[in-house]
Amino acid sequence: DTGVSQDPRHKITKRGQNVTFRCDPISEHNRLYWYRQTLGQGPEFLTYFQNEAQLEKSRLLSDRFSAERPKGSFSTLEIQRTEQGDSAMYLCASSLRDRGDEQYFGPGTRLTVT
Amino acid sequence: QKEVEQDPGPLSVPEGAIVSLNCTYSNSAFQYFMWYRQYSRKGPELLMYTYSSGNKEDGRFTAQVDKSSKYISLFIRDSQPSDSATYLCAMSEGTSYDKVIFGPGTSLSVIP
Repeated sequence: DTGVSQDPRHKITKRGQNVTFRCDPISEHNRLYWYRQTLGQGPEFLTYFQNEAQLEKSRLLSDRFSAERPKGSFSTLEIQRTEQGDSAMYLCASSLRDRGDEQYFGPGTRLTVT
Repeated sequence: QKEVEQDPGPLSVPEGAIVSLNCTYSNSAFQYFMWYRQYSRKGPELLMYTYSSGNKEDGRFTAQVDKSSKYISLFIRDSQPSDSATYLCAMSEGTSYDKVIFGPGTSLSVIP
């Protein structure tokens, strides 16, 4: 257990529905990252926050995706109008500022869109 | 060509063997190199990180970086069945530039 928690662990939803995932990072970590991982691939960067500021977003993060970290602690990732191609593991990681090489991952949320 | 390439395996070795896992990359600006271990249906777990070229040892694990060849390796000595997992290499241009690029992972099975 790295100290990063994610909820829910599994989510099954129908195409077109909205889903929201939560990540609670290690408490002293001010950087928080979201990744997506599909079968047989490594995690792909989606976005990251330093405290409450969202500093970078990948082109993978379409308009249907939005992430927030309102108080610089936990973060949420929302996917609107889900598509079957959104089925993946969504991973959250956290690190200290300026230690992007030392990221600690949560267990992930596995999303299945039917 | 992908930025980071890794032989997906699967790699199967007998218990006690020395395992060599490798990655190649194309971006010469990468300076920080990491290895993660991922068990099935779990999040990646950071094993080791190194800066620039050279070797780093931690217990049964040794990481090597050869920037001139754009090639990194992870060696596991005295492999154990509990080492059976997917091993992901990852790299970034710097700690303040936080976009980490992962390889696709190599699946390792250590047979008792």
